[in-house]
Amino acid sequence: SQTIHQWPATLVQPVGSPLSLECTVEGTSNPNLYWYRQAAGRGLQLLFYSVGIGQISSEVPQNLSASRPQDRQFILSSKKLLLSDSGFYLCAWTLGGNLNTEAFFGQGTRLTVV
Amino acid sequence: GENVEQHPSTLSVQEGDSAVIKCTYSDSASNYFPWYKQELGKRPQLIIDIRSNVGEKKDQRIAVTLNKTAKHFSLHITETQPEDSAVYFCAASPFSGSARQLTFGSGTQLTVLP
Repeated sequence: SQTIHQWPATLVQPVGSPLSLECTVEGTSNPNLYWYRQAAGRGLQLLFYSVGIGQISSEVPQNLSASRPQDRQFILSSKKLLLSDSGFYLCAWTLGGNLNTEAFFGQGTRLTVV
Repeated sequence: GENVEQHPSTLSVQEGDSAVIKCTYSDSASNYFPWYKQELGKRPQLIIDIRSNVGEKKDQRIAVTLNKTAKHFSLHITETQPEDSAVYFCAASPFSGSARQLTFGSGTQLTVLP
């Protein structure tokens, strides 16, 4: 069966520090991968998605970046965090290709920038 | 790109009553409309979905309706129970090239009062 792992679960970082959140998927090949951010009391904002290794599409301009070094690994990074980067970050995957199917979410990372 | 609007943002109902959450979408190419439930501190999970070739779908106490002409879809929960309390997200999925993105609504906080 497929599983998705996301870590860390919580993170407190000072302003200006770097960020690296990691997400891995098991049990499937060539998934579509996504990073979402959920601000307090708000919906899910798509940050990045990837349809393959090294292929990253950005949905919103910001000081975050994403990389996909391996088929089932998706990394969210920042060189210098801002206070506004605080939020709940969710990684998700769907079956690759032209299929509308269920999105499976990781357990999320609660990031607090202080 | 796709824009999904969701109403209401908060909804309180008495246990046993029905709850209705409505969403509209902008991209007529969207053909997949899932609903996710997110309990406090947990990851969103799919509860029901509908595709554009279907007008209505039911699963026990949950139903979703789709009006493609008007570009809106709704979630109906009957005989609500306290465990239905959660944030509910609608989403729409257009198909563009070889990528697929889920665009989420802003969420509805449903509270079922005992």
